[in-house]
Amino acid sequence: QSALTQPASVSGSPGQSITISCTGTSSDVGNYDLVSWYQEYPGKAPKLIIYEVFQRPSGVSTRFSGSKSGNTASLTISGLQAGDEADYYCSSYAGTRTIIFGGGTKLTVL
Amino acid sequence: EVQLVESGGGLVQPGGSLRLSCSASGFTFNDYAMHWVRQAPGKGLEYVSTISSTEGYTYYADSVKGRSTISRDNSKNTLYLQMSSLRPDDTAVYYCVKSQYSSSWSLAHWGQGVLVSVSS
Repeated sequence: QSALTQPASVSGSPGQSITISCTGTSSDVGNYDLVSWYQEYPGKAPKLIIYEVFQRPSGVSTRFSGSKSGNTASLTISGLQAGDEADYYCSSYAGTRTIIFGGGTKLTVL
Repeated sequence: EVQLVESGGGLVQPGGSLRLSCSASGFTFNDYAMHWVRQAPGKGLEYVSTISSTEGYTYYADSVKGRSTISRDNSKNTLYLQMSSLRPDDTAVYYCVKSQYSSSWSLAHWGQGVLVSVSS
């Protein structure tokens, strides 16, 4: 299976909103509401910020939101802050009792 | 507080073997599926393997299938990954990960990771 497709990089200014896309196929993203998003800072372990397309774990800011349309899931970060600068990864249940990840997106806050 | 502490990494020659361990605390270990995810230096996340909570069902990425065995000892709250026939492209930080729910495919809690380097 190929990795889910994410843009390599996105950028935005403080206070703005940005959206990161995550495109899969009808066998993974399109077939299951089991998309997750992870935030990773350099040298740190990833952190779950969205699960099951749009659910937020306890303690995650409401500025992070998720959605899905067809084979593409999206992560939106509103009110961008300097501390949001990180790598973001999507994942999906792949339908074969495995998980597939996106290639990751580097978010730069200008 | 959920804690996952990996150990057992290090430098191994191509073709060698290694067993990673993950000591879990802060939750009822045998209620949750557990996973291994790896990240090669400067690269993205890659799924490795999953083991179910009590039945012990196991699943593997194609890249490690036949060369790796995931297991757990619920009496010791410990997860394992036995890797053999290691190749240079197995070089990565390996993370032990707890599911969001008992059988979830969302990866809720991550260990700090352990580095496995495969090189001669």
